[in-house]
Amino acid sequence: NAGVTQTPKFQVLKTGQSMTLQCAQDMNHEYMSWYRQDPGMGLRLIHYSVGAGITDQGEVPNGYNVSRSTTEDFPLRLLSAAPSQTSVYFCASRERGGSTDTQYFGPGTRLTVL
Amino acid sequence: AQSVTQPDIHITVSEGASLELRCNYSYGATPYLFWYVQSPGQGLQLLLKYFSGDTLVQGIKGFEAEFKRSQSSFNLRKPSVHWSDAAEYFCALGGGGNKLTFGTGTQLKVEL
Repeated sequence: NAGVTQTPKFQVLKTGQSMTLQCAQDMNHEYMSWYRQDPGMGLRLIHYSVGAGITDQGEVPNGYNVSRSTTEDFPLRLLSAAPSQTSVYFCASRERGGSTDTQYFGPGTRLTVL
Repeated sequence: AQSVTQPDIHITVSEGASLELRCNYSYGATPYLFWYVQSPGQGLQLLLKYFSGDTLVQGIKGFEAEFKRSQSSFNLRKPSVHWSDAAEYFCALGGGGNKLTFGTGTQLKVEL
């Protein structure tokens, strides 16, 4: 299993540009999430999905869109990038409930918005 | 609302010394608690987790953590630190649904 994969690893955007961060998992996990990590703030939840076709907002959803058309993929879209979105983005997935309630993280995408 | 506090932003220990990283949480029900480690430029790796049962939890790389409900704490410990343990450590609280709430992290430096 490749686990959780993210592309690209690094990206530089200009203010106002749009892009999509890709996330895929091959563990057949129902739950997937996007977090952003900023210095001194830990990780904050942007959006999450509990299954294909179902998404919901997290702590800091503004400026980001998501969709979940398949179990495997959970892309994060920035419609009009802003410097405040400069961050490291992590995708995570997990199985439903019980003792397997553990999230697996991807390696991250480092985004800089100029 | 659930929250996690890691009071120490930076900690420096000598190689071979013992380590304790503090984590306090606020949650109205029985928590799921986790410790993750992040090496520079890397993603997060799960060290250990507590769901229920024995309050002393063993993890990978020689780490352990003790859940103390009366103190709302879940401190991470290691008896003898290695230089390769230098990293950032995050405590996290799992509440309802898919929500994981992270602390702000503790940066560990190991002096040789």
